[in-house]
Amino acid sequence: QAQLMESGGGLVKPGGSLRLSCAASRFTFSDYYMSWIRQTPGKGLEWISYISNSGDTIYYADSVKGRFTISRDNAKNSLYLQMDSLRAEDTAVYYCARDRLHSGNYFDYWGQGTLVTVSS
Amino acid sequence: DIVMTQSPLSLTVTPGEPASISCRSSQSLLYRNGDDHLDWYLQKPGQSPQLLIYLGSNRASGVPDRFSGSGSGTDFTLKISRVEAEDAGVYYCMQALQTPRTFGQGTKVEIK
Repeated sequence: QAQLMESGGGLVKPGGSLRLSCAASRFTFSDYYMSWIRQTPGKGLEWISYISNSGDTIYYADSVKGRFTISRDNAKNSLYLQMDSLRAEDTAVYYCARDRLHSGNYFDYWGQGTLVTVSS
Repeated sequence: DIVMTQSPLSLTVTPGEPASISCRSSQSLLYRNGDDHLDWYLQKPGQSPQLLIYLGSNRASGVPDRFSGSGSGTDFTLKISRVEAEDAGVYYCMQALQTPRTFGQGTKVEIK
């Protein structure tokens, strides 16, 4: 079955940047939309961005618009999230998920998550 | 954004007994093709969420048939016919009709 593995989390100061990666395997990555979803103790689960299989359609949640950039490299079976101007409220576990948008709109596979901590 | 509200927020169940979780949306999740865009996820302790039910009532691959989803419009229910120890965790509903997709607060299920 499909596998997803995030990396790149860590501790960063407010205003700093971080780039998350998600390595996909055991499915044809270029056939699927992908999403990033984060989880905090206070706000629970929050979808933050999706990208179409070709990369030409992208959406962001208002909470990250203008600060985060989603991208993908289908040749490398990889999804990315560039996070700039980080704030304390961006502290969360970040998950990548395979997105069945336009085919039921559900997330059928999730990675194990990577923790991002924004603190001085 | 569509607001999702779950109840109860916590539940303690005896193995073998049924359990039920309610989810209500602030807008109808019924799409013009007749599908309700409501999903259920389970997050077991220390794990990432996993898909249980999609489009209101369809079990995901590998999900035991003791799990069932029902409802339409704004009111949905997840039922576990006979709870097992491995069903412990936090259950989330999620609306998938509109972007941004939004989740309920979660219902923590503990097994006696």
